[in-house]
Amino acid sequence: ELKVEQNPLFLSMQEGKNYTIYCNYSTTSDRLYWYRQDPGKSLESLFVLLSNGAVKQEGRLMASLDTKARLSTLHITAAVHDLSATYFCAVEAGYGGATNKLIFGTGTLLAVQP
Amino acid sequence: NAGVTQTPKFQVLKTGQSMTLQCAQDMNHEYMSWYRQDPGMGLRLIHYSVGAGITDQGEVPNGYNVSRSTTEDFPLRLLSAAPSQTSVYFCASSYSYFSGTGVWETQYFGPGTRLLVL
Repeated sequence: ELKVEQNPLFLSMQEGKNYTIYCNYSTTSDRLYWYRQDPGKSLESLFVLLSNGAVKQEGRLMASLDTKARLSTLHITAAVHDLSATYFCAVEAGYGGATNKLIFGTGTLLAVQP
Repeated sequence: NAGVTQTPKFQVLKTGQSMTLQCAQDMNHEYMSWYRQDPGMGLRLIHYSVGAGITDQGEVPNGYNVSRSTTEDFPLRLLSAAPSQTSVYFCASSYSYFSGTGVWETQYFGPGTRLLVL
């Protein structure tokens, strides 16, 4: 059974600082996703990571995937208040083709303080 | 394109009542899913569908039914509501495509339905 663990659960950062959110998963998977959720809102897709060593960057966020370690990281560079949100990783259950069955981590609530 | 739409936005039920949460997408996506979101637990997959006429169970299917008679619609039925089903429900649709580096997917989430069961 696929399990996805995310840490930390809560992260309070100062503006301008760097930090990393970690996502570990228990079984082999083809795809890993990162989402952002603002309070009371739906989920916004940030990144899709497909292969070992994949790295994607958008603004101050950079995501990477190590399939051998079953680990993905979301790195935040020089945080700004606008990045305050809850961030989820999700791993696709199954292997060898698209299943569209996503198993989510518990989320990381990021609060960026001025 | 309206994307993924969900109705109602908010609903209050009494224990034992039944209701249907509606989900529709106008992007001709083959895959659709239902998730519930509870505080501190992330999103959990309830049911999903890989195409019209095909559905399967996710992580937490008990107490819910689905059907997929058309590509566009994927309603979620609560058969006999219980307080444990108080949650925010999200519908999502997605499609897969092949590029040179592999099979890619993009999931689009609806705005959510907040359900309170008393």
